[in-house]
Amino acid sequence: NAGVTQTPKFQVLKTGQSMTLQCAQDMNHEYMSWYRQDPGMGLRLIHYSVGAGITDQGEVPNGYNVSRSTTEDFPLRLLSAAPSQTSVYFCASSYYPSNTEAFFGQGTRLTVV
Amino acid sequence: QQQVKQSPQSLIVQKGGISIINCAYENTAFDYFPWYQQFPGKGPALLIAIRPDVSEKKEGRFTISFNKSAKQFSLHIMDSQPGDSATYFCAASLTGNQFYFGTGTSLTVIP
Repeated sequence: NAGVTQTPKFQVLKTGQSMTLQCAQDMNHEYMSWYRQDPGMGLRLIHYSVGAGITDQGEVPNGYNVSRSTTEDFPLRLLSAAPSQTSVYFCASSYYPSNTEAFFGQGTRLTVV
Repeated sequence: QQQVKQSPQSLIVQKGGISIINCAYENTAFDYFPWYQQFPGKGPALLIAIRPDVSEKKEGRFTISFNKSAKQFSLHIMDSQPGDSATYFCAASLTGNQFYFGTGTSLTVIP
């Protein structure tokens, strides 16, 4: 049971570099989302999608782009990395619109220097 | 505006004791209230959840108490064990909408 798979697990970027965090799920969930986790701030929603071709902004979208070309994949792109984007990133998926249990990936720890 | 407020930020409990974590929410339209457990280096995983039509839900040593009029809900861990040491997040959602998470509680159970 793969569930939600995130790659890479760790990444170090230099300020100004761009990169894509990958997320894939094999549960045929319509709803996928990206969160960042910072100490004392919980999980904050970056972007989400309710289906292929549909994306929307969450609480902290600035500096990030997403796309949803398939049900399975929901990549998160950092356009020009900044030290403030140092964080742990989690991808999650769930059924929609009933949105009961959200399944999370293992996370990507990103450091921007 | 923080949709879900969680306290305490950290909690230390003796083995066998009761751990209690509290959350309060703003939006009375929320219809699903889960608790997630997260171990270091792992993603959060659903622990237990409740809907607002019941006041309590129990699964093993874990119980959610829900007070609709006060807009509060809490997680009780009975007979706390060292293996329960983790970070706990409460959350709230509205059908067809996003999850709003609390800021998390780091629980340490001392042997």
